[in-house]
Amino acid sequence: TQLLEQSPQFLSIQEGENLTVYCNSSSVFSSLQWYRQEPGEGPVLLVTVVTGGEVKKLKRLTFQFGDARKDSSLHITAAQTGDTGLYLCAGGRVGKLIFGQGTELSVKP
Amino acid sequence: EAEVAQSPRYKITEKSQAVAFWCDPISGHATLYWYRQILGQGPELLVQFQDESVVDDSQLPKDRFSAERLKGVDSTLKIQPAELGDSAMYLCASSFILGAEQFFGPGTRLTVL
Repeated sequence: TQLLEQSPQFLSIQEGENLTVYCNSSSVFSSLQWYRQEPGEGPVLLVTVVTGGEVKKLKRLTFQFGDARKDSSLHITAAQTGDTGLYLCAGGRVGKLIFGQGTELSVKP
Repeated sequence: EAEVAQSPRYKITEKSQAVAFWCDPISGHATLYWYRQILGQGPELLVQFQDESVVDDSQLPKDRFSAERLKGVDSTLKIQPAELGDSAMYLCASSFILGAEQFFGPGTRLTVL
């Protein structure tokens, strides 16, 4: 049973387009983290959100934690080729992280 | 900048052989995690240490996998014997305390032939 569902699983867009990745669960998490992973490398932490309704911005990336702390979204404005990679959401519970299956993003020039 | 170190980066082995992976967490981080990531999926926790003690190894296949962190610093994950289905990326992560943000190493890509 996948506790965290990410959608879409694959996304291919042109440079300059906007996109949103969703991370949904029926369970409540104490925190939600987003990571970006490049092929052959470990995940790199982008952001942590802990409060329901919280919104954080990191340059062109906007992260939101749902009011009920069960879901989250990542919005990228004006995507660049350097944004290409695997985006992973991970929910924190009892000192552990539960990962979604990831969204593979490809940004074409 | 402090980083989690892992070695080797790549390992190719034949089935039924033994393999071992090493992880050195960020200095001062008490909690260490080993994850397995199958291609196209998110990481899955195998074992979690708090200092030298195992906190959670419920997902570790204990018939063939073992992990230790004897002095509460670096850690070793062993597989004996390796099976074809063990081919995956093995990731190590550490956090300052239990429940804090986790930082990942570059991983070890294991291929079992």
